[in-house]
Amino acid sequence: EAGVAQSPRYKIIEKRQSVAFWCNPISGHATLYWYQQILGQGPKLLIQFQNNGVVDDSQLPKDRFSAERLKGVDSTLKIQPAKLEDSAVYLCASSLDRQKLSGNTIYFGEGSWLTVV
Amino acid sequence: RKEVEQDPGPFNVPEGATVAFNCTYSNSASQSFFWYRQDCRKEPKLLMSVYSSGNEDGRFTAQLNRASQYISLLIRDSKLSDSATYLCVVNPLSGGSYIPTFGRGTSLIVHP
Repeated sequence: EAGVAQSPRYKIIEKRQSVAFWCNPISGHATLYWYQQILGQGPKLLIQFQNNGVVDDSQLPKDRFSAERLKGVDSTLKIQPAKLEDSAVYLCASSLDRQKLSGNTIYFGEGSWLTVV
Repeated sequence: RKEVEQDPGPFNVPEGATVAFNCTYSNSASQSFFWYRQDCRKEPKLLMSVYSSGNEDGRFTAQLNRASQYISLLIRDSKLSDSATYLCVVNPLSGGSYIPTFGRGTSLIVHP
């Protein structure tokens, strides 16, 4: 079974530029997450989708970050304009169904490493 | 108080040692719990789920204490390959969905 796919793996941009990350979840997984992980910290949830609806985006800096999951499959996360503190790994993950206790094991992609200079 | 708290360590232990990590959580409505393992510059991977009755998988034992709101992970007979960061995950139910919340992780270094 194919895992969670993410691209690009690595990106270096200057501050105030924009960047977009793409994610393709495991086939059949209804729930998709974007996490931000800064070096030395645990993953922080930015946004959680259930199919194409947003379940939680309380920690998404909406003045610069946006995410969408059109058609309930692939997702993109965009940052515009980027700040130095956005340097982190952006992890996409998916699970079968977050509304069911038995379907909530999370599977991660390899991450997209962002450096803002 | 943070939602999920872990001692970042590092825990530095010799091969063969037994080591235990704790993780405390603040949301008493949390329904399910997991331990994930994260190797350096890699993505987190599921290590084990944590059940109310406690569960064991080889050298690893996980336990849940709902009254005190903590979960634990015990590793027996540590191997060099156990060196990694161990992330605690708590899933409070909010608005009909489970919101997975990670701790900052506990770093384990097993030395010869």
